[in-house]
Amino acid sequence: AQSVTQLGSHVSVSEGALVLLRCNYSSSVPPYLFWYVQYPNQGLQLLLKYTSAATLVKGINGFEAEFKKSETSFHLTKPSAHMSDAAEYFCAVSDQGFQKLVFGTGTRLLVSP
Amino acid sequence: NAGVTQTPKFQVLKTGQSMTLQCAQDMNHNSMYWYRQDPGMGLRLIYYSASEGTTDKGEVPNGYNVSRLNKREFSLRLESAAPSQTSVYFCASTPDRDYGYTFGSGTRLTVV
Repeated sequence: AQSVTQLGSHVSVSEGALVLLRCNYSSSVPPYLFWYVQYPNQGLQLLLKYTSAATLVKGINGFEAEFKKSETSFHLTKPSAHMSDAAEYFCAVSDQGFQKLVFGTGTRLLVSP
Repeated sequence: NAGVTQTPKFQVLKTGQSMTLQCAQDMNHNSMYWYRQDPGMGLRLIYYSASEGTTDKGEVPNGYNVSRLNKREFSLRLESAAPSQTSVYFCASTPDRDYGYTFGSGTRLTVV
């Protein structure tokens, strides 16, 4: 079965600083990879996805992620954090013939003024 | 523009009681999913329905049953609730593998 590991349950940055949220996956076949964001008391919202096209993927709200097969990574970045980016972020990998997604345990991003 | 609608939003049950969580989507999506979210554990798949008429177990199916009533609706039933089932439950849907999931806003369930 596929799995994802998100390093760091909490990441703290200052407003305007670089955001880097880490995701490593294990997959025996080329996967589809996703990043989702969850604001308090809400459902998850798709940020971006990799589905075997361009390895650098741009998403909403200025986020992007790069698929690196050699490192089995799909890290999420944003050049300049905004207070409104404070939320929980989940990485997910496709599993079982792309029929379902397996989620990581999440990283809570804290943004200070 | 409803998307995925879950009812109820909040529920408190006593141990041993039963209930059904409802989920409906109006996007004509083929696949639907039930996840539970617990602190520090991310989202874990309970059951899914890849297409109308099919259902399959996910990672944590024990204590739950599902029904894909039609293409729009996918319900989750707890036959005899236990405190370990205290969680936030999310329903999601997708048209196919190239798309991400659309999530509902969740049901917060407490079993006392």
